[in-house]
Amino acid sequence: NAGVTQTPKFRILKIGQSMTLQCTQDMNHNYMYWYRQDPGMGLKLIYYSVGAGITDKGEVPNGYNVSRSTTEDFPLRLELAAPSQTSVYFCASSYSSLAGIYNEQFFGPGTRLTVL
Amino acid sequence: AQSVTQPDIHITVSEGASLELRCNYSYGATPYLFWYVQSPGQGLQLLLKYFSGDTLVQGIKGFEAEFKRSQSSFNLRKPSVHWSDAAEYFCAVGGATNKLIFGTGTLLAVQP
Repeated sequence: NAGVTQTPKFRILKIGQSMTLQCTQDMNHNYMYWYRQDPGMGLKLIYYSVGAGITDKGEVPNGYNVSRSTTEDFPLRLELAAPSQTSVYFCASSYSSLAGIYNEQFFGPGTRLTVL
Repeated sequence: AQSVTQPDIHITVSEGASLELRCNYSYGATPYLFWYVQSPGQGLQLLLKYFSGDTLVQGIKGFEAEFKRSQSSFNLRKPSVHWSDAAEYFCAVGGATNKLIFGTGTLLAVQP
């Protein structure tokens, strides 16, 4: 199993450009998450998904969009990049049964994004 | 409000010395507690987790943590630190919503 994979690893954007960060997991997890990590701030949840076709906002969703058309993929879209979106972005996945048993999240290696 | 506090931003210990990283949480329901480690330029790796049962949990790489409900704490410990333990450590709390709240992290440096 590759686990959680993210592409690209690095990207530099100009203000106003758009891009999609890709995330794929091969563990058949139903939950997927996007976080951003800024120095000294820990990880903040941007969006999450409980299954294909279902997404919801996290703590810092402004400026981002997501979709979940398959179990495996959970892309994050930046429409109009701003310097405040310079960060490291992590995708994660986990499995939760219908009984509500919660398991740990598995993280991808991250995407380092700079907006100039 | 739900939150996680890691009061130590940066800790330096000598190789072979013991280690304790502090974590306090505020959570309105039964918490699920986690410690993750992040090496430079890498993603997060789970060290250990507490869901229920025995309040002393063992993890990978010789780490352990103790859940103290009365103190709302989940401190991470290791009896003898190795140079390879230098990394950033994150405490996190979650629950039935399956969403995690992370602390701001503790950066561990290990002196030879």
